[in-house]
Amino acid sequence: ETGVTQTPRHLVMGMTNKKSLKCEQHLGHNAMYWYKQSAKKPLELMFVYNFKEQTENNSVPSRFSPECPNSSHLFLHLHTLQPEDSALYLCASSQGDSGRGQETQYFGPGTRLLVL
Amino acid sequence: GDSVTQMEGPVTLSEEACLTINCTYTATGYPSLFWYVQYPGEGLQLLLKATKADDKGSNKGFEATYRKETTSFHLEKGSVQVSDSAVYFCALRIQGAQKLVFGQGTRLTINP
Repeated sequence: ETGVTQTPRHLVMGMTNKKSLKCEQHLGHNAMYWYKQSAKKPLELMFVYNFKEQTENNSVPSRFSPECPNSSHLFLHLHTLQPEDSALYLCASSQGDSGRGQETQYFGPGTRLLVL
Repeated sequence: GDSVTQMEGPVTLSEEACLTINCTYTATGYPSLFWYVQYPGEGLQLLLKATKADDKGSNKGFEATYRKETTSFHLEKGSVQVSDSAVYFCALRIQGAQKLVFGQGTRLTINP
């Protein structure tokens, strides 16, 4: 499955580093998402973009900064992270027509982040 | 608020055993319901979905029926295989919203 790709797949960073996660979707979708998957916690939605505009921020700390330059690409810029931010970060995309309630989200393989 | 509760794992079964993973939900609106599967080292893949009461989603031998009266969407398979070993997530999405609300996941291990 190569519809949604994420790079890097693994990342180790110190608390003072700045890094970025990249997501690209090849499905022609207009909505993109960032989710966080921590150990022993349900997946948490972080951000939603529709047609390049941020439409949802789920009370995410400012040390996470998303960017969506076009409908196919989504970035998550990271700075001054804490060890508790270590998690699997999943990107997803969907058609973008949420009104019908039929929309399916397609997920990438994730970036496993370790903050030291 | 909206929430999903799954049976706690891990679940370990022998090959060809019957599987049921329970999922119940609480929703303020009228949700669509999903099961996603996550194989080791991979992201989530949609396994099946149902969008209205009494709908049955099915895929790869798995089934789940949308039960509005019991607010449940239990995942079932009659005969599991080693390749079914993965983490299974139940999720809901309120109509008109884009946010998926996930359960905590159930790790399934199938032994040969």
